[in-house]
Amino acid sequence: GQNIDQPTEMTATEGAIVQINCTYQTSGFNGLFWYQQHAGEAPTFLSYNVLDGLEEKGRFSSFLSRSKGYSYLLLKELQMKDSASYLCAVRDTGGFKTIFGAGTRLFVKA
Amino acid sequence: DTAVSQTPKYLVTQMGNDKSIKCEQNLGHDTMYWYKQDSKKFLKIMFSYNNKELIINETVPNRFSPKSPDKAHLNLHINSLELGDSAVYFCASSQTGTSNQPQHFGDGTRLSIL
Repeated sequence: GQNIDQPTEMTATEGAIVQINCTYQTSGFNGLFWYQQHAGEAPTFLSYNVLDGLEEKGRFSSFLSRSKGYSYLLLKELQMKDSASYLCAVRDTGGFKTIFGAGTRLFVKA
Repeated sequence: DTAVSQTPKYLVTQMGNDKSIKCEQNLGHDTMYWYKQDSKKFLKIMFSYNNKELIINETVPNRFSPKSPDKAHLNLHINSLELGDSAVYFCASSQTGTSNQPQHFGDGTRLSIL
């Protein structure tokens, strides 16, 4: 079967660091994506990993371990505007299908 | 310049009606998708088209019929709407062949069935 698990909700404080974990079990793998989705809006692309290791992009970093079926998204220097859902998504080997996790709702408090 | 645009943004209709949602992308991508996001915010793929050809059909009821007149357009027609069809429908596009290319999403169509 295909399964992507991530925590339902997280709360963090402005200025802090938060790590959102994602574990996956999929029949094929051709990359893992993180998207951000604000309430009532479309998902927008944050990061992509296909090889093991850390990808850094400003305040956002994403890590992948293919052998463990595990990824995390790290958000530094949290801002109020980072309050949103964060979706972990795995693309299959063929490249035409991407499976999304249910998303983690992040609440950033002052 | 909207990259992926879908219309209408809101759609309120009665059970049993037939409705269509249109989607257009100006990114030059070769693949387009329809997703359904339900009240629990689960984003689930429905269809994937590559160069106007159906690639993925995720066991969607045949009341849903996508049509791709060209690779820049992917429309979704829904017959005999049911209460369970209430959701947000997102259109997306991407370019295959380049592994790190993400999907670009439209703003969504909020479908409410009365």
